[in-house]
Amino acid sequence: DQQVKQNSPSLSVQEGRISILNCDYTNSMFDYFLWYKKYPAEGPTFLISISSIKDKNEDGRFTVFLNKSAKHLSLHIVPSQPGDSAVYFCAASGSGNKLVFGAGTILRVKS
Amino acid sequence: ETGVTQTPRHLVMGMTNKKSLKCEQHLGHNAMYWYKQSAKKPLELMFVYNFKEQTENNSVPSRFSPECPNSSHLFLHLHTLQPEDSALYLCASSQDGDGPNQPQHFGDGTRLSIL
Repeated sequence: DQQVKQNSPSLSVQEGRISILNCDYTNSMFDYFLWYKKYPAEGPTFLISISSIKDKNEDGRFTVFLNKSAKHLSLHIVPSQPGDSAVYFCAASGSGNKLVFGAGTILRVKS
Repeated sequence: ETGVTQTPRHLVMGMTNKKSLKCEQHLGHNAMYWYKQSAKKPLELMFVYNFKEQTENNSVPSRFSPECPNSSHLFLHLHTLQPEDSALYLCASSQDGDGPNQPQHFGDGTRLSIL
């Protein structure tokens, strides 16, 4: 039973356009959400996070939106760049700091 | 050297071998984690150590034995593994294991293949 789901295995976007990666969760006890980016042969790199008391957090080209009623979060990357091509993982935690990860979405940004 | 370092990066072993994976963090963190990532599956938490004490064992088979001698080092001792244990093993650290809203920082992983 996957508590964190990324339903799109892959996404292809033109350079300069917006990339939108989606994530759904089922556990209403989750109160902290993160996005990680992973290049081949490297470990996941922390990108951006949001706590459940907010509905938006922005860091440069990256913005995370949280819709608690829908149990849905999304990561917007704008403008997308070829170097953004990677696997993006959504993760969530409740009490303590145990992260539950989604299966990942492969983003390809075409130049 | 900064961040989280894992060695070796690749390991091939037979089912009867004994080997160890090593993780070292230079971030001054107090919590360390082992994760397993099998092909096309999400990362699965295996173990959590907080201030050198094991606080989580996520029903991991006893052929995996973790060791945390201090807050900077974490080992995963392997013995009599099965082919289905072939996976990417990732180590992570965070400021502490109980505090909320802390990102975990990952190493680059050890790619393990069991023959």
